[in-house]
Amino acid sequence: EVVLTQSPATLSLSPGERATLSCRASQSVSTFLHWYQQKPGQAPRLLIYDASNRVSGIPARFSGSGSGTDFTLTISSLEPDDFAIYYCQQRTNWPPELTFGGGTKVEFK
Amino acid sequence: QVHLVQSGAEVKKPGSSVTVSCRASGGTFSASAICWVRQAPGLGLEWMGGVIPVFGTTNYAQNFQGRVTITADESTGTFYLDLKSLRSEDTAVYYCVRAGEVGSADYWGQGTLVTVSS
Repeated sequence: EVVLTQSPATLSLSPGERATLSCRASQSVSTFLHWYQQKPGQAPRLLIYDASNRVSGIPARFSGSGSGTDFTLTISSLEPDDFAIYYCQQRTNWPPELTFGGGTKVEFK
Repeated sequence: QVHLVQSGAEVKKPGSSVTVSCRASGGTFSASAICWVRQAPGLGLEWMGGVIPVFGTTNYAQNFQGRVTITADESTGTFYLDLKSLRSEDTAVYYCVRAGEVGSADYWGQGTLVTVSS
């Protein structure tokens, strides 16, 4: 079973600052690692799939990188709308078994 | 554009069962799966199980084996989550999600709050 560990648990930043979120897998997942944003009272929204591919309509300030066991989601310059919780996720088998990280909350400093 | 529309909130007694439905429209599911993911209040996301609609093949998370059943009605494009022997810890928002070939959950239902309380 793959375990995803996200760090830090909370990131306190100001608008305009750069956010760097980490996701580490307990074993290699190649590039099959995806990132989501969740705001209070809403369903999560897919931002990045396959480690580095931005979903259509997602602003260019969001970028993903990594492969194997270490992945990063970067928000180059935080907008007020970006303060939310971010989850990483991978899948094994088919039908897919989805594993999520514990989340990183990006909050106003 | 895929839309997943779920049934409304439920309040259940401990020991009872609940069925949550998810109606899909606007897309194809030939190369995808429908999964159910839940989120307890203030906590993270937990995968419960999934189904391949065209085959009806299912798998379930170990934590829910024996208590959960996921089915698909291809004729109506509706998917169902049945959870039995409810306990207070099952209080959560339940989401149906479409998982594409690479395993990303690219579409989500709006969520259904299930409250288990005596």
